[in-house]
Amino acid sequence: GEQVEQLPSILRVQEGSSASINCSYEDSASNYFPWYKQEPGENPKLIIDIRSNMERKQIQELIVLLDKKAKRFSLHITDTQPGDSAMYFCAASRDTGYQNFYFGKGTSLTVIP
Amino acid sequence: EAAVTQSPRSKVAVTGGKVTLSCHQTNNHDYMYWYRQDTGHGLRLIHYSYVADSTEKGDIPDGYKASRPSQENFSLILELASLSQTAVYFCASSDNNNQAPLFGEGTRLSVL
Repeated sequence: GEQVEQLPSILRVQEGSSASINCSYEDSASNYFPWYKQEPGENPKLIIDIRSNMERKQIQELIVLLDKKAKRFSLHITDTQPGDSAMYFCAASRDTGYQNFYFGKGTSLTVIP
Repeated sequence: EAAVTQSPRSKVAVTGGKVTLSCHQTNNHDYMYWYRQDTGHGLRLIHYSYVADSTEKGDIPDGYKASRPSQENFSLILELASLSQTAVYFCASSDNNNQAPLFGEGTRLSVL
């Protein structure tokens, strides 16, 4: 299946600064890229997504960028708060053939007050 | 409200025993998935299904079987549980329009 690489695996930032997580994928047919946030002991929850017909999407403090040519996408959290501390997962899928979602290995984000 | 419900929420099993994890969705979704989560490995796809009475292998199917008797229900079966299958298991569902999956609350399985 698709391979999704996610970096960094651990990220520590000061409160109020920005945090960036980068993902890359191999299958050029992948065209949908959701991001999930997972708090300790809970399930992953969708926070933002982007489709291949867009290059940038923003929801409040969350910005997702997609570079189809480079097969890379990234999540940027601006003005981080302690409540942003969590695990973050990127994923990739395609809408042709079987609809499977392939996940990166996750980034543990800690926002230091 | 859309929901994916897993049972049990936690389980302790003995090596060599049979374990069945159940998942129920009320979202009218075609696709259902079983993922395994281990520290350092993220979420790995075990089995999935896009229609009732049919299941497909994911990336790590060895040691697991799946069953989809209806659109709403999807089970993961460990016929002979092993220590290496200790993990958190998540069920998820999605529609057939390539929308992000909705995850259940997870099942924490410990095999001793």
